[in-house]
Amino acid sequence: DGGITQSPKYLFRKEGQNVTLSCEQNLNHDAMYWYRQDPGQGLRLIYYSQIVNDFQKGDIAEGYSVSREKKESFPLTVTSAQKNPTAFYLCASRTSNLNYNEQFFGPGTRLTVL
Amino acid sequence: GENVEQHPSTLSVQEGDSAVIKCTYSDSASNYFPWYKQELGKRPQLIIDIRSNVGEKKDQRIAVTLNKTAKHFSLHITETQPEDSAVYFCAASIGSGGYQKVTFGIGTKLQVIP
Repeated sequence: DGGITQSPKYLFRKEGQNVTLSCEQNLNHDAMYWYRQDPGQGLRLIYYSQIVNDFQKGDIAEGYSVSREKKESFPLTVTSAQKNPTAFYLCASRTSNLNYNEQFFGPGTRLTVL
Repeated sequence: GENVEQHPSTLSVQEGDSAVIKCTYSDSASNYFPWYKQELGKRPQLIIDIRSNVGEKKDQRIAVTLNKTAKHFSLHITETQPEDSAVYFCAASIGSGGYQKVTFGIGTKLQVIP
């Protein structure tokens, strides 16, 4: 483990509030991803970024926003527009080297909306 | 977009027996198929992967097979042990160069009964 970190581990938010989840990696990876994990639904892609200052919407981007100002960092903001934000959020990173496709995951942040 | 279906959603086997998890994908352009294992409360970790130009790959007790024509791939675990109990995710990836988008299945909860 190590190399990619997420904070905080647990996060509580009141309805109507925006909250930002942190994801940092020191693996020198170009690509970074955000997934949402709900019971029985696997991992669903929220946003991904292949390089600095560029990111693309995934399958469930509504109510979320991201930025990629630094290679090491890919924060996710859960906005008040996200109707059901309570979930486990996983960040991942991957090198752009064609020979290495593995995604490395962070430990996750469990978000609960009160 | 890509759609990955995975079954069964739960699987119980006796210790020492084999376990098989099957996945299908929809996009014939997918070219990389990883399998991740997620133990309770931990992050997903890659256990084996296969590229579209390979039909089978083995790593000790774990093997993966790929049928590109039928667009399905399977994970085989032989001589199962209690520590194999976890949730297993298959995934299909489309990409070229540094670009890659990964779509996950819903996961299979494997229970190995001692």
